[in-house]
Order: sequence, then structure tokens, then C-alpha cells
Amino acid sequence: GNSVTQMEGPVTLSEEAFLTINCTYTATGYPSLFWYVQYPGEGLQLLLKATKADDKGSNKGFEATYRKETTSFHLEKGSVQVSDSAVYFCALMNYGGSQGNLIFGKGTKLSVKP
Amino acid sequence: DTGVSQNPRHKITKRGQNVTFRCDPISEHNRLYWYRQTLGQGPEFLTYFQNEAQLEKSRLLSDRFSAERPKGSFSTLEIQRTEQGDSAMYLCASSSGWTGIFEQYFGPGTRLTVT
Repeated sequence: GNSVTQMEGPVTLSEEAFLTINCTYTATGYPSLFWYVQYPGEGLQLLLKATKADDKGSNKGFEATYRKETTSFHLEKGSVQVSDSAVYFCALMNYGGSQGNLIFGKGTKLSVKP
Repeated sequence: DTGVSQNPRHKITKRGQNVTFRCDPISEHNRLYWYRQTLGQGPEFLTYFQNEAQLEKSRLLSDRFSAERPKGSFSTLEIQRTEQGDSAMYLCASSSGWTGIFEQYFGPGTRLTVT
């Protein structure tokens, strides 16, 4: 079946540090991949997406590249800020059998200290 | 575009009571999804509508759960005879089937506590 595995948190970084949150997936066919972010007290927001192999999604300084050969979609940011503190979810959407519902990882909590 | 809204934001109920949640999607979005999120977990898919038709239901959706979208606009999720295990955040999302990627926009959620 389809599944998403992401690194467990919490991840604690100092401001301006480099961020990597690992995400790997299992899926039949060719899924689309997403990163969602949940800030404290707020709903899920789409951060970035990639729809095919080698696509790079980017937004707000965050990037992730769809790597089919390693079934990965790792989230990176070169210099984190305190305002990036949130929970980050990796997700896939597989059109093959499920009409497009999202399958999420468990989330990774990021805390950025000043 | 006012975003996806959900009501109530919080609901506390006693075990055995029925509860109903409402979701108002982004206007003209024809697809509507319900997810459930428990503490420390990612959201899990419950059910999905395209217009007023309920096209898919997860195995998580027991027969105590029912969802409707009568006019293809807002949706309701009802839980009958609530159990403590139903305590969770219930999320609604909507998307437009007319753009290729079916990008989903989430509401703020309804937090259910069953005592």
C-alpha cells in the first residue's frame, strides 16, 4: 500500500542553521508529493509540491526534490528563522486508486531558538 | 476566497452522545475531504465527496460515522454514540477538480473531546 515515513522529531535548531527533514515514501505508480506545515494554533497549509520525478518544489526558502530512484522528498532550508517553528508533514497523493486523498507522515516538530 | 471554515472549533461531549460538525469549503470547489488527526499523528483520510456524491470511504469510517454534502456545497460529519477513542481533530479540506493537481486547502479543524 501507499505510505509515508518521515524523520521523528522534535528537531531543535538555532536561528540561521541549515534544516533537513527526511521523507521517504512507498507507492504504486507515480504519486504527487507535498509538504504541509502546521503553525501553532493554525490549520494545515500547503508549503510546496512536486508532481513528477526530478521536480523541485520551493516556497518561502524551503525546497524539496522528488527523487524517484530513492523514493524520497526531503525538505531543506538553508537558514531557518524562529518563525519557521511548526510541525511539518510530508504527504503523497496517488491518483491510481484513491481519487486523490492525501496520505500523510506522522509529522516532524521543528523548534528554532533565537 | 475566504478559505475553508469549520464549526464548531471545539466540542466537548459525553460518551454516548451524538455530535455533528460542519465544513464550508472554498466556494466553487467541487471536491471535499474529511480527515481525522490524533495527537502526534498525521491526518488520516476518512471520506471524500465530489459535488454531492460520496465517492470513497475509509475503513476508519465506522458505521457510527456518517457524512453528507446535500447540495454539493457545505458538508456535515456526524458521529453517533461517541466513544473516547473518537477524541481527535477533525479536518476538512477542499479542492477544485478542474485544476490538474487537486491541491487541497484545509480548514482549521474541529477538536472533539469525548469525556
